[in-house]
Amino acid sequence: NAGVTQTPKFQVLKTGQSMTLQCAQDMNHEYMSWYRQDPGMGLRLIHYSVGAGITDQGEVPNGYNVSRSTTEDFPLRLLSAAPSQTSVYFCASRDGASTYEQYFGPGTRLTVT
Amino acid sequence: AQKVTQAQTEISVVEKEDVTLDCVYETRDTTYYLFWYKQPPSGELVFLIRRNSFDEQNEISGRYSWNFQKSTSSFNFTITASQVVDSAVYFCALTRGAAGNKLTFGGGTRVLVKP
Repeated sequence: NAGVTQTPKFQVLKTGQSMTLQCAQDMNHEYMSWYRQDPGMGLRLIHYSVGAGITDQGEVPNGYNVSRSTTEDFPLRLLSAAPSQTSVYFCASRDGASTYEQYFGPGTRLTVT
Repeated sequence: AQKVTQAQTEISVVEKEDVTLDCVYETRDTTYYLFWYKQPPSGELVFLIRRNSFDEQNEISGRYSWNFQKSTSSFNFTITASQVVDSAVYFCALTRGAAGNKLTFGGGTRVLVKP
C-alpha cells in the first residue's frame, strides 16, 4: 500500500492564480480530510469528507473547494490564491469502521507571492 | 467548542535527560479521543498514541509514556532518556467520539535534544 499520497510536494503560485492539490489513498478509507499547518498554530481542518459524494466544511474553509467523486481521491482547489494561503497542506484518511487514527500524507508546501 | 493547549513552545534538553510535554484540553463531550503525533524535521506526521476518554490508564511504550488525567483535562507525554532522534515537533490532538475525522490540534511543542 502506498498509503496517502499528495502531489505536488512544493508549489509556488502568484496571487489570483488557481490550482488543485491532489490527494489519494489506497486503503479504502471512508473518511478523508484536508488540514493546513501554519507556524505556531498546529494543524487546522479545512474540509472533510465522510464518503464519496459527501463533503463538509471544517474550521478554515474560506478560499477552498473540495469534491469527492471516488473513495480514493479528495482534491483541494484554491480558487484565487492569496498570500494568506501560504502554508503546508496535509491530507489525511481514516477507516470509519475501526480506529479513529488518521493517516497523514507527506504534505504539500505552498507559497503564494 | 474544543481546544487543545500546549503551553511549551520549545524545550531543549541534553541527551539522556527526561522531557515531559504538557497537553491541556477543553471539550464538552463525554466521549472523546486524544492523540499524540510526532513531526520530525522531514515533515511527515507520525501517529504515536490514541486514548479514549473512558480509559485513564497510563501507558508506556518503550521510552515513551503518557499520563491521562481527566480531573485536570491533561494528557501529558514523557520521553525518558531522550535521544537525538527524538528531536521533533510533537502535537497533541482531540476529536469528538462521534466525529473522529475532525481533529483539533494544539500548537505543538518543539523538542530539541542536544548530544
